[in-house]
Amino acid sequence: AQSVSQHNHHVILSEAASLELGCNYSYGGTVNLFWYVQYPGQHLQLLLKYFSGDPLVKGIKGFEAEFIKSKFSFNLRKPSVQWSDTAEYFCAVYSGTASKLTFGTGTRLQVTL
Amino acid sequence: DTGVSQDPRHKITKRGQNVTFRCDPISEHNRLYWYRQTLGQGPEFLTYFQNEAQLEKSRLLSDRFSAERPKGSFSTLEIQRTEQGDSAMYLCASSPGRGRFDEQFFGPGTRLTVL
Repeated sequence: AQSVSQHNHHVILSEAASLELGCNYSYGGTVNLFWYVQYPGQHLQLLLKYFSGDPLVKGIKGFEAEFIKSKFSFNLRKPSVQWSDTAEYFCAVYSGTASKLTFGTGTRLQVTL
Repeated sequence: DTGVSQDPRHKITKRGQNVTFRCDPISEHNRLYWYRQTLGQGPEFLTYFQNEAQLEKSRLLSDRFSAERPKGSFSTLEIQRTEQGDSAMYLCASSPGRGRFDEQFFGPGTRLTVL
């Protein structure tokens, strides 16, 4: 069965610092990859997605992610974080014939002023 | 608000009681999903509907759990004889159903506490 690993459980950054959150998946076939964000008190929202084509995907609010097939990775990046980016971030994958998303355990990002 | 809605938002119940949650998907979304999220974990898939047909069920969905989507619109998730281990956030999501994989839109969830 496919799985998703997020190695950073809790990240604390100062405003304007650069961000990179790791995501690795374990599936050798065609994958579709997502990053979702959950702001405090709000529901899960899609940040960005990769289905095919350019492996560098740009999402909302200045976030981007790069799909590296050889490394089974889909890391999330942002050059300069803001206090409002404080949230929990989830990597997820569709794979194979399943119509379900498999999520990682999430990374809690705390941005300090 | 035209997003996915869930009711109730919070439910506290005693062990052994039955509970039912409702999910209203985005209008005209054919696919509807239920997930469960416990503290410190990502959402885990429970079940999935294409219109009114329940096409996939997770092993997490024991025989105490049942989900329906009778007219292909709203869905209900019932848990019978609740146990403390059922305490979690129950999330509903819907997607348009165009193509094999399409974006899922999540609702706010129903937080269940079993005492």
